[in-house]
Amino acid sequence: DSGVTQTPKHLITATGQRVTLRCSPRSGDLSVYWYQQSLDQGLQFLIQYYNGEERAKGNILERFSAQQFPDLHSELNLSSLELGDSALYFCASTSAYGYTFGSGTRLTVV
Amino acid sequence: GENVEQHPSTLSVQEGDSAVIKCTYSDSASNYFPWYKQELGKRPQLIIDIRSNVGEKKDQRIAVTLNKTAKHFSLHITETQPEDSAVYFCAASINGGSQGNLIFGKGTKLSVKP
Repeated sequence: DSGVTQTPKHLITATGQRVTLRCSPRSGDLSVYWYQQSLDQGLQFLIQYYNGEERAKGNILERFSAQQFPDLHSELNLSSLELGDSALYFCASTSAYGYTFGSGTRLTVV
Repeated sequence: GENVEQHPSTLSVQEGDSAVIKCTYSDSASNYFPWYKQELGKRPQLIIDIRSNVGEKKDQRIAVTLNKTAKHFSLHITETQPEDSAVYFCAASINGGSQGNLIFGKGTKLSVKP
């Protein structure tokens, strides 16, 4: 157990739908990062939050949004889903020892 | 922004041989370079990292070297074992790794044949 918790582990939904992925960082970590990993692809940085504030944005589509709540958990909202959004979505949190990833949410859009 | 190139995309070695994976980065301000191992369907796990004030770091069978002038860094695995088979990702960050997004290479699929 890495200490970074992601739910759900698996999600199957239809095109056009909206889903919410949840991430709880390790205790004491203020930053949350979201990454998308499509089949046979690398890890694409989506967005970073630090203590509730958006800190950096990567290749995040306008259909996607995220937020970090006062208890530091974060949610990634994916809307108007397309087949190409099927991927593993990882979140990570950081400490002085670097990044730690959660186990990911596998999203399948059918 | 930062761009990280990783080669080769696939690498097959015999058990006991060495494996080398190379990465180049574009942003000279990058100062933190971790390597992650990812098994199929699992989360990436940090195996070793290096900061820009160090040229080489070793941890048992794994070593990483950094050439800041050339902006490239490499992962070296010696005496490979079948359990080393996985996808390996390099990454770079300009904020020392404790804060700041990591930019990843596209990964190298390493296969170690018994």
